[in-house]
Amino acid sequence: VQLQESGPRLVKPSDSLTLKCTVSDTPLSRAFYWGWIRQPPGKGLEWIGSIYHSGNSYYNPSLESRVTISVDSPNTEFSLTLSSVTAADTAVYYCAGILGTAAHLEDFWGQGILVTVSS
Amino acid sequence: IVLTQSPGTLSLSPGERATLSCRASQSVSSDYLAWYQQRRGQAPRLLIYAASTRTSATPDRFSGSGSGTDFTLTISRLEPEDFAVYYCQQYGSSKGGMFGQGTKVEMK
Repeated sequence: VQLQESGPRLVKPSDSLTLKCTVSDTPLSRAFYWGWIRQPPGKGLEWIGSIYHSGNSYYNPSLESRVTISVDSPNTEFSLTLSSVTAADTAVYYCAGILGTAAHLEDFWGQGILVTVSS
Repeated sequence: IVLTQSPGTLSLSPGERATLSCRASQSVSSDYLAWYQQRRGQAPRLLIYAASTRTSATPDRFSGSGSGTDFTLTISRLEPEDFAVYYCQQYGSSKGGMFGQGTKVEMK
């Protein structure tokens, strides 16, 4: 299973950021959940949100008003849209898949994409 | 729910035992508590889920325990590749996916 993030590496303040995660060698339906996580330079991990096999999405309350996670193409892609970005949104953005069932999980991650918010 | 990890940094030597703590601001189902390892420059890696279940790729020197609001990750004998940052996370649909702030295990 491979995951690959794609999208802009430089975004202007107040614009929207859309990142895509392309998933290879497994159907999206196999996941316990798919998620987006970010990491500002030199800081810890921040959960952005997750979309479950049920189709339901859950978001970090601190970002919820600006975030949408959706499945874009059956079995191949899911995406993240973050609106009204500021410099505080500069981070490495990871997509991740937690596959299996609650009793047996395994994880797969993209390599991360550094997104810089700057004019 | 806020997850608070301690200590912030743990300075140990190879072969020593590491004990990392994760405390939740309210009770967490142990079915949905995970531990991740992040080595420098790499994506995180799931080590433990359901509080105490190792993934198939996790060496058995790693163990997780706890319930309610207090969870622990123990590394019985540190190997050189274990020096990294460790995060706890609550997961599972409506439970969200918040991480703790991380504990760095550094070589003494």
